[in-house]
Amino acid sequence: EAQVTQNPRYLITVTGKKLTVTCSQNMNHEYMSWYRQDPGLGLRQIYYSMNVEVTDKGDVPEGYKVSRKEKRNFPLILESPSPNQTSLYFCASSRGGGGEKLFFGSGTQLSVL
Amino acid sequence: AQSVTQLGSHVSVSEGALVLLRCNYSSSVPPYLFWYVQYPNQGLQLLLKYTTGATLVKGINGFEAEFKKSETSFHLTKPSAHMSDAAEYFCAVAEWANNLFFGTGTRLTVIP
Repeated sequence: EAQVTQNPRYLITVTGKKLTVTCSQNMNHEYMSWYRQDPGLGLRQIYYSMNVEVTDKGDVPEGYKVSRKEKRNFPLILESPSPNQTSLYFCASSRGGGGEKLFFGSGTQLSVL
Repeated sequence: AQSVTQLGSHVSVSEGALVLLRCNYSSSVPPYLFWYVQYPNQGLQLLLKYTTGATLVKGINGFEAEFKKSETSFHLTKPSAHMSDAAEYFCAVAEWANNLFFGTGTRLTVIP
């Protein structure tokens, strides 16, 4: 089954404790992206990747890191989480090119205390 | 620069009534336009998209949207609302590749 898998589904942590949210897709997609969803703000892009070893900042990259060492994986790293990073996070992937459908993961609800 | 405006963060309709969710965009080039739906506790799913060609686009579950370049709009409609349509709807625009910018969303409530 074609899917984007995020882990964990829920995460509670404390300020400053490094964490990683994993994202994997099994569709051989070139494009992958991370979004955060906050009430009243919709989805805002954090980082995206057009292919292996190619990443770029989205609208709200501060406090986040990503890597794309393999085509299927695109982890999101919070080196020193802060309470304002409490949010619902989504990973998404699609084929290369314009106008392609984005496939979304089920989301990761992160709470930073 | 791209931006998307969705008018109305909450819309309520009666079951069987017309659904109209509004979306306006700004883009310096002909854009790709999308509507996604999010059901509770789930990720987003594509409803429909406009890339090129016919300006009236039909999607899943009886939804459709019309690209009006002169009005920079891409409103979503459905002739008759069903209870299962209750969800949050997001309009999105991309000027290149798949780099989507999303609107702030419209929560649709369907009243029995």
